[in-house]
Amino acid sequence: EAGVAQSPRYKIIEKRQSVAFWCNPISGHATLYWYQQILGQGPKLLIQFQNNGVVDDSQLPKDRFSAERLKGVDSTLKIQPAKLEDSAVYLCASSLLADVGNTQYFGPGTRLTVL
Amino acid sequence: AQTVTQSQPEMSVQEAETVTLSCTYDTSESDYYLFWYKQPPSRQMILVIRQEAYKQQNATENRFSVNFQKAAKSFSLKISDSQLGDAAMYFCAYKGETSGSRLTFGEGTQLTVNP
Repeated sequence: EAGVAQSPRYKIIEKRQSVAFWCNPISGHATLYWYQQILGQGPKLLIQFQNNGVVDDSQLPKDRFSAERLKGVDSTLKIQPAKLEDSAVYLCASSLLADVGNTQYFGPGTRLTVL
Repeated sequence: AQTVTQSQPEMSVQEAETVTLSCTYDTSESDYYLFWYKQPPSRQMILVIRQEAYKQQNATENRFSVNFQKAAKSFSLKISDSQLGDAAMYFCAYKGETSGSRLTFGEGTQLTVNP
């Protein structure tokens, strides 16, 4: 079974530029998550989708971050414009369902460096 | 809000020996799950072990086991017969009934395995 796929693996941009990350969850997984992991910290949830609807985006900086999951499968996370403090690893995860007992499986992440 | 604390930023162990990583959490919920994830330099979060709060029996997965003390809100990970491949950052994580499927992570413990 293929795992969660993410691209690109690395991205370097200048501040105020835009960037987008792509995630393909495990086949059949209805729930998709984007986490931000700043160096030296644990991941923090940015947004959660159930199929193509947003369940939780309470910690997403909506003035600059956006995400979509149009067909309930792949998802894209965008930052526009980027700030220095956005330098982090962006992890995508998926689970079969959204209930508390479901395990989340993570992708390899995208390391973003903002100069 | 739920919090997860890992008080050991770094730990080291000799190959073939046993090491215990500590984790404490704070919650008022009765139904929740606890997890240990491993993050090697490749950045992929790999599930090591999970524990349901309503189960008194400690979870075990091969060389990995937990000591779950519900009253003390403690959830430590024991790695037996440590191997070089166990070297990684280890994160303790919490998921509760009222937080949906959001994972709350600790700050992580960097484990070094010495040959």
